[in-house]
Amino acid sequence: QVQLHESGPGLVKPSETLSLTCTVSGGSIGYYYWSWIRQPPGKGLEWIGYIYDNDNTNYNPSLKSRVTMSLDTSKNQFSLRLTSVTAADTAVYYCARLWRATTLDYWGQGALVTVSS
Amino acid sequence: IQLTQSPSSLPASVGDRVTITCRAGQGISSALAWFQQKPGKAPKLLIYDASTLESGVPSRFSGSGSGTDFILTISSVQPEDFAIYYCQQFKSYPITFGQGTRLEIK
Repeated sequence: QVQLHESGPGLVKPSETLSLTCTVSGGSIGYYYWSWIRQPPGKGLEWIGYIYDNDNTNYNPSLKSRVTMSLDTSKNQFSLRLTSVTAADTAVYYCARLWRATTLDYWGQGALVTVSS
Repeated sequence: IQLTQSPSSLPASVGDRVTITCRAGQGISSALAWFQQKPGKAPKLLIYDASTLESGVPSRFSGSGSGTDFILTISSVQPEDFAIYYCQQFKSYPITFGQGTRLEIK
């Protein structure tokens, strides 16, 4: 059974960089696509992007200029960096497996990140 | 690709048959999934490829449609089904979601 777990600071100051890591257990991180999705409090879901094999990424154009994803196969982890954050980036951030590069089948429990000074 | 769900809120009683509609702004073939989200929890995959039931999901859930119009049906609502439901398209990137439909107790 694949399990995912997000970790990282729960509070980030405006203009700084949000960094989150997703640790995958129950299966190898290789051969799959991995995604980040976020959900502002009380609102809907926004897909941030995916990473595959470390040099294959696809980011949502709405965030592309500020997003970087990376993969660490030795630790079975993948990461998200979002620069120049504002209050609008306050959200629960989910990591998920993107099976066949299309279907979000396994999700982490989510990590709330608040942007505030 | 924009996805529009209707209704936004759906009052129902246990045992009711309910349907939720998702309309895509352009044709997406069968590249659609449905998720259920309960408060404080991650979304759970119910259906993919418009009509394929994810393993372990009760058979009272079903999906249909192709092109631009899709339907999620719950044949007999159970107490644990009250939640928010989202559709999601994967025909083209960026992946997008509908705005959600809240299934609530009547």
